[in-house]
Amino acid sequence: ETGVTQTPRHLVMGMTNKKSLKCEQHLGHNAMYWYKQSAKKPLELMFVYNFKEQTENNSVPSRFSPECPNSSHLFLHLHTLQPEDSALYLCASSQDELAGSYEQYFGPGTRLTVT
Amino acid sequence: KQEVTQIPAALSVPEGENLVLNCSFTDSAIYNLQWFRQDPGKGLTSLLLIQSSQREQTSGRLNASLDKSSGRSTLYIAASQPGDSATYLCAVRDTGGFKTIFGAGTRLFVKA
Repeated sequence: ETGVTQTPRHLVMGMTNKKSLKCEQHLGHNAMYWYKQSAKKPLELMFVYNFKEQTENNSVPSRFSPECPNSSHLFLHLHTLQPEDSALYLCASSQDELAGSYEQYFGPGTRLTVT
Repeated sequence: KQEVTQIPAALSVPEGENLVLNCSFTDSAIYNLQWFRQDPGKGLTSLLLIQSSQREQTSGRLNASLDKSSGRSTLYIAASQPGDSATYLCAVRDTGGFKTIFGAGTRLFVKA
């Protein structure tokens, strides 16, 4: 595997379910990001982790819970979601979040549908 | 608060035409600006990254320019091909808080 991978690629869940999205990067990067892309809206930054520490929570509801056990893996735990949370969730990584010049590399995304 | 705008929202051109996509941002205090391509339902592919100290970057048929003082960037695509059809996104890395702010994108369709 190379680059940034995300699983699952598609997920359908009910509002009472609990599920997790997984992201893994094989680039030796130290920063990882979660973005949300809703229909007809720009990408929205959700969370940032740098060297496993959360450095940004962009006012995301608590029903989204991120976890970064190491610099290569990032999870997004989901519970009691709402239909408006249906979107494409994208993971990205970069060399270092604090060195702002570094390029971000994106995974293919998880298409989430909340019923 | 940084805002990124992309014009036009959609563009349809015949194959072989040269075209320019525009991106503007409201705060010139940026680290860099990155252009991405996104195919329907897919993730983002990085095309070009311009650091704040640079004026342009080139990769194959793509050329991106940056005028930080005026808050503008352009992505020039030469000799467009049907395979260039996608949504093109620009994103600026803000110096205030290290956030990356995306534009809404330009949807490009190149007709064969």
